[in-house]
Amino acid sequence: SAVISQKPSRDICQRGTSLTIQCQVDSQVTMMFWYRQQPGQSLTLIATANQGSEATYESGFVIDKFPISRPNLTFSTLTVSNMSPEDSSIYLCSVETQAEKLFFGSGTQLSVL
Amino acid sequence: AQTVTQSQPEMSVQEAETVTLSCTYDTSESDYYLFWYKQPPSRQMILVIRQEAYKQQNATENRFSVNFQKAAKSFSLKISDSQLGDAAMYFCAYRSFFSGYALNFGKGTSLLVTP
Repeated sequence: SAVISQKPSRDICQRGTSLTIQCQVDSQVTMMFWYRQQPGQSLTLIATANQGSEATYESGFVIDKFPISRPNLTFSTLTVSNMSPEDSSIYLCSVETQAEKLFFGSGTQLSVL
Repeated sequence: AQTVTQSQPEMSVQEAETVTLSCTYDTSESDYYLFWYKQPPSRQMILVIRQEAYKQQNATENRFSVNFQKAAKSFSLKISDSQLGDAAMYFCAYRSFFSGYALNFGKGTSLLVTP
């Protein structure tokens, strides 16, 4: 398995500001992912964070809104930019281990006022 | 795109009893992965069980087992000897073997465990 530390666990932000979420893994992993879970909904993949190259975004998500960094094989950040109340969600980091199992961090509960 | 359907928004089971959560999916692929995740109020997504489509044998993890029916595109989760700690949202998820890395999740089933 993989131990994933995600920070912050929750935050309340003002409209128009940005928040950066950090994801730290206790082992080197090739694949890291960022998901969004809107209130009462299922999870939707935002992007795949690639080490050494730009992130790969899913349809409906753009780099200007959700810039992602992946400086090494154990760390990634997701920024939610120019926030609006519609961005209020849980944001989850996920990693894939060599055993092809996918594990999740504990999530960041974001509320935008 | 593959779709995952969980037709039971809520389920209830008594402690020590057995419950089955349903999941169906739609795909034209022959190789893929299927997962069940548990999400308690803590928000943590916990991997319960994983099944590779090319394996005929149903996956089992302690009290959790699946009934994988590939032809019917069905992937149900059976929880035996239910415990209070099993209460959570359960999500079924599909992942393509070849095209992309996204997990496609169902809408979830809320499981209530009563004493």
